Amino acid sequence: QEKVQQSPESLIVPEGAMSSLNCTFSNSASQSIWWYQQHPGKGPEALISIFSNGNKKEGRLTVYLNRASLHVSLHIRDSQPSDSAVYLCAVASSGSWQLIFGSGTQLTVMP
Amino acid sequence: GPKVLQIPSHQIIDMGQMVTLNCDPVSNHLYFYWYKQILGQQMEFLVNFYNGKVMEKSKLFKDQFSVERPDGSYFTLKIQPTALEDSAVYFCASSPGRRSDYTFGSGTRLLVI
Repeated sequence: QEKVQQSPESLIVPEGAMSSLNCTFSNSASQSIWWYQQHPGKGPEALISIFSNGNKKEGRLTVYLNRASLHVSLHIRDSQPSDSAVYLCAVASSGSWQLIFGSGTQLTVMP
Repeated sequence: GPKVLQIPSHQIIDMGQMVTLNCDPVSNHLYFYWYKQILGQQMEFLVNFYNGKVMEKSKLFKDQFSVERPDGSYFTLKIQPTALEDSAVYFCASSPGRRSDYTFGSGTRLLVI
């Protein structure tokens, strides 16, 4: 069974700073990795996904995937108070229909 | 963007009774999912449904659980009978493809007393 671990559990950054979130997974054959954002009382919302080793940039978001070290990171440039939420890393394994979620990082951006 | 609607948003039910959670997925999506989240814990997969069939279920999807989507209407999760440990938030999700972004609903908060 795939295991997904996220760090840190919580992160506080000032407005305008870079926020960096980490995720490790247990299976190098994992096919796809997603980052989701979840606000209180709401369901997760897909932010960005990556399938190939390397990096992918969308707006203020950059994600880096290193399959050899089983590590993926999400970086949010110019963090805003509206970015405050729980960020979930989710991994899909080949041969399975499941998305395995980490326990999340609570990001707080202080004005 | 398109949304997944979950009805009801909250449900309180006596242990042993039956409960049906309803999900109205995004209209052109073909894959449907239920996830369970206990307060303070991570989201856990329950079941995936495609083309009228359960494709995969986890060990959390007990014999008391069932899913269906009759005639393209709501995608439902039924629990019969309910147990205290079924108290959780249940999230429905849908996706257009197997490896596509999921669209999640806002969840049904189920409390079994």
